[in-house]
Amino acid sequence: RKEVEQDPGPFNVPEGATVAFNCTYSNSASQSFFWYRQDCRKEPKLLMSVYSSGNEDGRFTAQLNRASQYISLLIRDSKLSDSATYLCVVNGNNNDMRFGAGTRLTVKP
Amino acid sequence: DTAVSQTPKYLVTQMGNDKSIKCEQNLGHDTMYWYKQDSKKFLKIMFSYNNKELIINETVPNRFSPKSPDKAHLNLHINSLELGDSAVYFCASSLLRDEQYFGPGTRLTVT
Repeated sequence: RKEVEQDPGPFNVPEGATVAFNCTYSNSASQSFFWYRQDCRKEPKLLMSVYSSGNEDGRFTAQLNRASQYISLLIRDSKLSDSATYLCVVNGNNNDMRFGAGTRLTVKP
Repeated sequence: DTAVSQTPKYLVTQMGNDKSIKCEQNLGHDTMYWYKQDSKKFLKIMFSYNNKELIINETVPNRFSPKSPDKAHLNLHINSLELGDSAVYFCASSLLRDEQYFGPGTRLTVT
């Protein structure tokens, strides 16, 4: 089993749609969780951290389910500019940050 | 103003050569990383240094040798380059266990 697993997609959605990504992780001792965004031929950039209580940043909502060992990202009212690859990141005790393979999202007019 | 910088941005070289990629961060972070992103876009950690000490050394060929002269720099030296080394190499930095900031990447092509 991979340490961090994501559905690679691609997800093709129309503008204004709501889309959700899930990510599962294998290390039950993981303590830090993040979603990163990577545009084509660019470096990954932090989208948001994921807290135990769940957190929201505008159109983006992240949730953590420790019992089932998964995190999710919900994007509401998708914009064309949301098109990118979304990377799930899980940080273990030794700061061995593990990236998922990424989920590609394309938002179409 | 660049937070994490890498040089060079592009590197084209022949098999068997030795090359280095430099990374510098001006964020005051104590931890720096090297990642490799291959053609399948999978981002894999190679090395991590905390306060100039190696804390993560994934299974990479010993042709790859990181060097951290101080907390703000982590350079990557690669000996005897092979075709399979072609990839984008990202440097990153963070405070320990916190979010990471990535450099713009170095696109290495081995011919």
